[in-house]
Amino acid sequence: QKEVEQNSGPLSVPEGAIASLNCTYSDRGSQSFFWYRQYSGKSPELIMFIYSNGDKEDGRFTAQLNKASQYVSLLIRDSQPSDSATYLCAVNLIRGGSYIPTFGRGTSLIVHP
Amino acid sequence: DARVTQTPRHKVTEMGQEVTMRCQPILGHNTVFWYRQTMMQGLELLAYFRNRAPLDDSGMPKDRFSAEMPDATLATLKIQPSEPRDSAVYFCASGALGGGDYGYTFGSGTRLTVV
Repeated sequence: QKEVEQNSGPLSVPEGAIASLNCTYSDRGSQSFFWYRQYSGKSPELIMFIYSNGDKEDGRFTAQLNKASQYVSLLIRDSQPSDSATYLCAVNLIRGGSYIPTFGRGTSLIVHP
Repeated sequence: DARVTQTPRHKVTEMGQEVTMRCQPILGHNTVFWYRQTMMQGLELLAYFRNRAPLDDSGMPKDRFSAEMPDATLATLKIQPSEPRDSAVYFCASGALGGGDYGYTFGSGTRLTVV
C-alpha cells in the first residue's frame, strides 16, 4: 500500500458543479494534512491544511478529515475552469523521528464550461 | 510577497557533468525540503533540513547526490556525476515550523535535462 493514495483521474466536472477529490493515507499517527494545487508547468501551491476531524471551509474549498477511516477529501464548490489543475494531497508521516510531508501522485481535475 | 527563489530555472547538461541547484528560502523559515518530481514517481522527498541541520536524506541516492545548507539563506543540491535518469523538476520548499505546521511554500523549480 502506498503511503498516500489518490485517484489519478482525470476528474471531469461541468462548470458550477461540486468537485470531490479524495485521499487515503497509511499512517494512523499522522496529524497534519494538506491540499496543494499545481497548474501544468508550475509549482505546487498550498490551498488548505486541516488537523482535526470534521470539515474546514475556506471560500469555495472545504477540506474533510476522518482519521478513523484515514481519509481526507477536498470539495470545490461552484467549480470554475480556472480550477482545472492537479490537486496534491500531502500528509505528514513520521519517519526517523520526524514528520515528513509525503505527497500523493495527485488527481487531475478538468472543469469544462 | 515572500517567495522561495530557485536557480537555475532550466538546466541542460551532458551525462557525467556536475549539476548544482540553489535555493533561497523565505526569510525566517527554519525548514527546507528538496523534492524531485517526475511523471512516473510524482513528488519524491530527497532531503529535509531544520534549522540548517539535515534531518532526513533517505530518499536521496547518496553515491551521486548531496544536499547542504551552508547558511540560513542558501540550500544547495548537487548531482555528481549526473545521469539521464536524473532528468526531472527539482523543487525546494520552505516553511516555519514552530507551534504548528501550516504547510510549505514551493519555489518555481529547476527543470533538469541530462542528455
